[in-house]
Amino acid sequence: DSGVTQTPKHLITATGQRVTLRCSPRSGDLSVYWYQQSLDQGLQFLIHYYNGEERAKGNILERFSAQQFPDLHSELNLSSLELGDSALYFCASSVALGRPNTGELFFGEGSRLTVL
Amino acid sequence: QKEVEQDPGPLSVPEGAIVSLNCTYSNSAFQYFMWYRQYSRKGPELLMYTYSSGNKEDGRFTAQVDKSSKYISLFIRDSQPSDSATYLCAMSANNNNDMRFGAGTRLTVKP
Repeated sequence: DSGVTQTPKHLITATGQRVTLRCSPRSGDLSVYWYQQSLDQGLQFLIHYYNGEERAKGNILERFSAQQFPDLHSELNLSSLELGDSALYFCASSVALGRPNTGELFFGEGSRLTVL
Repeated sequence: QKEVEQDPGPLSVPEGAIVSLNCTYSNSAFQYFMWYRQYSRKGPELLMYTYSSGNKEDGRFTAQVDKSSKYISLFIRDSQPSDSATYLCAMSANNNNDMRFGAGTRLTVKP
């Protein structure tokens, strides 16, 4: 168990809809990352938050947005969903105060999104 | 050209074989290199971590980094069926965890 919790585990929705994926990082971790994993694209970096602030953006579509709250949990919002958005969405956390920054990311088990 | 290239396989080997997994990359700023293992329906977990060039060994696993060739490898000795998983290479420039991952190689070790 990595200590990172993602909900929901599975989500089925229709095109044009909006969903919110939630991530609770490991206790004390300040960084949260979102990745999208699809069969043909591998793990694609979407966005990184550190202690509530956006730090880096990857290949994140304008229809997608994220935020990290004061309690450090994070949400990824996906809107105007398309068939191609069907994928596994992973959250990862790292960098806890008082712990060495080894560069390791701790991944949750992912949220599987199916858009019909 | 993708920043990180990794042959997705699949790769199937008999138990006890030596497995070689590889990645190439284009960004010369990368200096932190990792291998993650991902079992089916699970999140990736860190397997090996190296900084800059050189080798690192951990049990049956050896990671090699050749920065001059922009090429990294993971070797698995005496492979076991429990090693069957997808192996993803990952790398970053500044250890601020803004990592880039390869597509992952699916490995099956047959008993």
